[in-house]
Amino acid sequence: NAGVTQTPKFRILKIGQSMTLQCTQDMNHNYMYWYRQDPGMGLKLIYYSVGAGITDKGEVPNGYNVSRSTTEDFPLRLELAAPSQTSVYFCASSYAGHAFFGQGTRLTVV
Amino acid sequence: AQTVTQSQPEMSVQEAETVTLSCTYDTSESNYYLFWYKQPPSRQMILVIRQEAYKQQNATENRFSVNFQKAAKSFSLKISDSQLGDTAMYFCAFMVSTSGTYKYIFGTGTRLKVLA
Repeated sequence: NAGVTQTPKFRILKIGQSMTLQCTQDMNHNYMYWYRQDPGMGLKLIYYSVGAGITDKGEVPNGYNVSRSTTEDFPLRLELAAPSQTSVYFCASSYAGHAFFGQGTRLTVV
Repeated sequence: AQTVTQSQPEMSVQEAETVTLSCTYDTSESNYYLFWYKQPPSRQMILVIRQEAYKQQNATENRFSVNFQKAAKSFSLKISDSQLGDTAMYFCAFMVSTSGTYKYIFGTGTRLKVLA
């Protein structure tokens, strides 16, 4: 049982490049989330999804896009990377008040 | 607005001693879940303890226990017999349903260092 799997674990991007952070879960959870964690800070919600085909903005959505075509997958897209997007990104899924986190992706934009 | 406040950015404790990490939150909802997560340098988010708001009894998990005061909106974590492996960032969080959608709200964390 893999739980929540994020790829890649590390990535360095140049300013203006784009990339997709992958997240997949095998627990059939409807709720999925993307968070960012800046150094020394807590987690801030970027986007969330309550089920396939349904997504909504969180606290800090600017510069990001998401899609949810299947229950399992919830990719996060950065279109024009900026230094302010340097952070650790966490994907999570939840069910009945239990949440499961991926291992995180450390992204550096230079 | 729904918020979580951790007022202690850093704390230290001697090995084998007891330490309490503070957390307050704000929500107008009556049903929610409260959590403490541990984040070691590996950055993995590890669930330490979970509390359902409708339960009056404080949750415990081995050396970890909470003091849940619903009226005061307080949810502190007590670590007994502290061990070197407890050194980590600790995040308080709550999950609440707003308009039928569950969201997780996190505090800014407390960095705990256990001293030998």
